[in-house]
Amino acid sequence: GQNIDQPTEMTATEGAIVQINCTYQTSGFNGLFWYQQHAGEAPTFLSYNVLDGLEEKGRFSSFLSRSKGYSYLLLKELQMKDSASYLCAAASGGSYIPTFGRGTSLIVHP
Amino acid sequence: ETGVTQSPTHLIKTRGQQVTLRCSSQSGHNTVSWYQQALGQGPQFIFQYYREEENGRGNFPPRFSGLQFPNYSSELNVNALELDDSALYLCASSLGQGGTGELFFGEGSRLTVL
Repeated sequence: GQNIDQPTEMTATEGAIVQINCTYQTSGFNGLFWYQQHAGEAPTFLSYNVLDGLEEKGRFSSFLSRSKGYSYLLLKELQMKDSASYLCAAASGGSYIPTFGRGTSLIVHP
Repeated sequence: ETGVTQSPTHLIKTRGQQVTLRCSSQSGHNTVSWYQQALGQGPQFIFQYYREEENGRGNFPPRFSGLQFPNYSSELNVNALELDDSALYLCASSLGQGGTGELFFGEGSRLTVL
């Protein structure tokens, strides 16, 4: 089976940096996704890592260590609109079917 | 480019009834996945269809069934509804082979079972 673990909730201050960690155990690993989901809305794609290292995309960066089964999402210059649930998902098998974690609810306060 | 659309957006059913949820995939996508998301939880994989064939299934009982049509739209059917089936049902389309597996989600169908 597959297991995805991430913190349930985090809080941070507007303008700060926050790191959301995710650990995973899966067979036939095919990459690690991060999705953002605002309350009452559909998840939207943030990043995909399949090789070790850091991928930077504007204010958001995602890191992967395959040997450690570990990823993090780094959000810089936090804005109030970044308050959302952040979903870590590990893909496995030939079909790239992602298994999602419970999500980390990030609350950004002034 | 047309995004993923789902219908209905909200519906209420009673225990024991049957429900059909519909999904139109994004233009050019041949793969549709269905997820169940309970309140405060991450999406749980139900099944995936690739070119009208079931391509993978999660840990859901047989009363959850699906179809994919030649135009790649899809249906999720749930028979003998139970109270625990109350959830947001998300459809996501993607490019099958050759893609990274990035999912494009619809807004979901919120099902309440009384």
